[in-house]
Parts: sequence; C-alpha cells; structure tokens
Amino acid sequence: DTGVSQNPRHKITKRGQNVTFRCDPISEHNRLYWYRQTLGQGPEFLTYFQNEAQLEKSRLLSDRFSAERPKGSFSTLEIQRTEQGDSAMYLCASSLSSGVKTQYFGPGTRLLVL
Amino acid sequence: KNEVEQSPQNLTAQEGEFITINCSYSVGISALHWLQQHPGGGIVSLFMLSSGKKKHGRLIATINIQEKHSSLHITASHPRDSAVYICAVRPPKVEGADGLTFGKGTHLIIQP
Repeated sequence: DTGVSQNPRHKITKRGQNVTFRCDPISEHNRLYWYRQTLGQGPEFLTYFQNEAQLEKSRLLSDRFSAERPKGSFSTLEIQRTEQGDSAMYLCASSLSSGVKTQYFGPGTRLLVL
Repeated sequence: KNEVEQSPQNLTAQEGEFITINCSYSVGISALHWLQQHPGGGIVSLFMLSSGKKKHGRLIATINIQEKHSSLHITASHPRDSAVYICAVRPPKVEGADGLTFGKGTHLIIQP
C-alpha cells in the first residue's frame, strides 16, 4: 500500500465555481478525516467518517461544503460557490478505529480561488 | 473547544544542538500527536502518546497529563530536521468525537 493519496494536488478556480477533491485512504483504515490548513496556521478539523457514516462535522463546514464516503473507501469533499476565503490546503488522513489510532496524512490538495 | 499552544513559534539553532518544543492544551484529551510538516505540505506522524515518554531515534516525546503539557526533544539536531513541528490533541473518548485540534506549529531551522 502506498499510503493516503489525494487528487488533484493543485486546483485553481474562479470565485463562484464548484470544486471536488478526492481522497483514497490506506485500504484497511475505516476512519477518514478531512482537515483544512491556511497559510501559516495549523490544520483545522472539518469532518470525519467511520466507514460510510459521517460521525462528526465542524462548525467550519458551512452549507457550501459537503463530504461523502459512499462505499466506505474513498471520500470526496465538494465546495460549492467557492469564495476567496476557501483558498487553503485541504488535507485528508486515515486511521483505524481500534488499537493504534495513528492518523496517516495524504499530501493535500492546494486550492486557490481567484 | 481545546486550545493548543506551542512554543516557540520559530526556532533557529546550530547543527548538533539539543532542541525542545513545547505544547500545552486546555482541556483533557485521550491522546496527543506530534507531527512533522515539510515545505510543500506533507505531514508525517512522529508520535502518538497518552502518557509517559516515547523515543524514536533522535526524537523523544514526553507528556504530563496532569499539567496538560507535552514536549518534543531532538538530540544532535541536523539540517534535515528543519521543518514545522505540529502538536495535535485528540478529544476524550466520547461517541462520535474524534477530530484533532492542532497547534499553529513551530518552524524549526537547523543551520549547518
């Protein structure tokens, strides 16, 4: 297994457009997390899934944001009607839900909204 | 909401020096992570600990649950240790709550 992968790695879009990011977790990991990191700051939690169930959502996840994990494997994060303030690095991580729960991070998707 | 504070924010040291980065948090946790982030964004998990001390190579992490404080030490520092080191805490074991709360990171530069 090659670890957590994210696509695309970079995305430039115009304000008002919709964007979708994908995360493929480590195959045996049943938990998947989304975080957002703005320049010079630490990451902030957005949401996480256990299998296909979305168990927790941050207040940061406005109604323009939606995340899915339909089959309990890969996940998508969609941002509708993007705003310049959405420009950030979007990070995905995965872990087991029992035993050693270390979170393994993907390389991130860097979004720039013009 | 847990408040996670790291110090220092920036640290420049000479190769070979002993490095200490501190992390304090405001509310009880189930575990604390130390993460390393290199330019370009990739994050690597260094340690996850809930008590005591862990050691991996030249890295040592300690945690004091009563004082809500953790430290990351680097012995015999090397320029390749230059990175941002981030402390993150996991909430107590409550149904459905598992998102990490992160500090802002410590930007470490080791000069040759």
